[in-house]
Amino acid sequence: RKEVEQDPGPFNVPEGATVAFNCTYSNSASQSFFWYRQDCRKEPKLLMSVYSSGNEDGRFTAQLNRASQYISLLIRDSKLSDSATYLCVVNQRGYSTLTFGKGTMLLVSP
Amino acid sequence: EPEVTQTPSHQVTQMGQEVILRCVPISNHLYFYWYRQILGQKVEFLVSFYNNEISEKSEIFDDQFSVERPDGSNFTLKIRSTKLEDSAMYFCASSEAAGGRGEQFFGPGTRLTVL
Repeated sequence: RKEVEQDPGPFNVPEGATVAFNCTYSNSASQSFFWYRQDCRKEPKLLMSVYSSGNEDGRFTAQLNRASQYISLLIRDSKLSDSATYLCVVNQRGYSTLTFGKGTMLLVSP
Repeated sequence: EPEVTQTPSHQVTQMGQEVILRCVPISNHLYFYWYRQILGQKVEFLVSFYNNEISEKSEIFDDQFSVERPDGSNFTLKIRSTKLEDSAMYFCASSEAAGGRGEQFFGPGTRLTVL
């Protein structure tokens, strides 16, 4: 079983659309969760941490369901600049290792 | 905004040669990391470093790899005898704190091509 699993996409959406990505993780000891975005051939950039209570940053909302070992990211009012690969990332308490999913590609068109 | 920097941006080498990839982490960060990403694949953890020693390493980080913090600012990854399968993007990252409390910030990467 893969450690962090994501639908690879691509998700093709028009500008202004709302899009949701999901991610599941296999290690129940995982304690911290993040969404990163990665543009083609660039470094991962931290988008947001994911907290148990769920959190929002502008157009982005992240949710965590520990019981189902499931994380989600919702993007509202998509912009062309949101086109990227979104990486679901987890780590275990006491360990500095980040475990990455393979990412979900988002393409926003005019 | 402070950022992680890496040099060179692209390194081409012959199989069997040694390469050193360099990173300057964010200045007040104490935890340093190397990751790699083979083209089309996911980002993979290699090693973490704190207080001048390795704190964790993955199975990928075998005896061919080593890390060093030679001075107060640089953090290096050395590959002693490169193999074709070492061709990848190598990312350095740093964080203020360890584990889940430390959000990791990545440098722009070094693309290593082994011929």
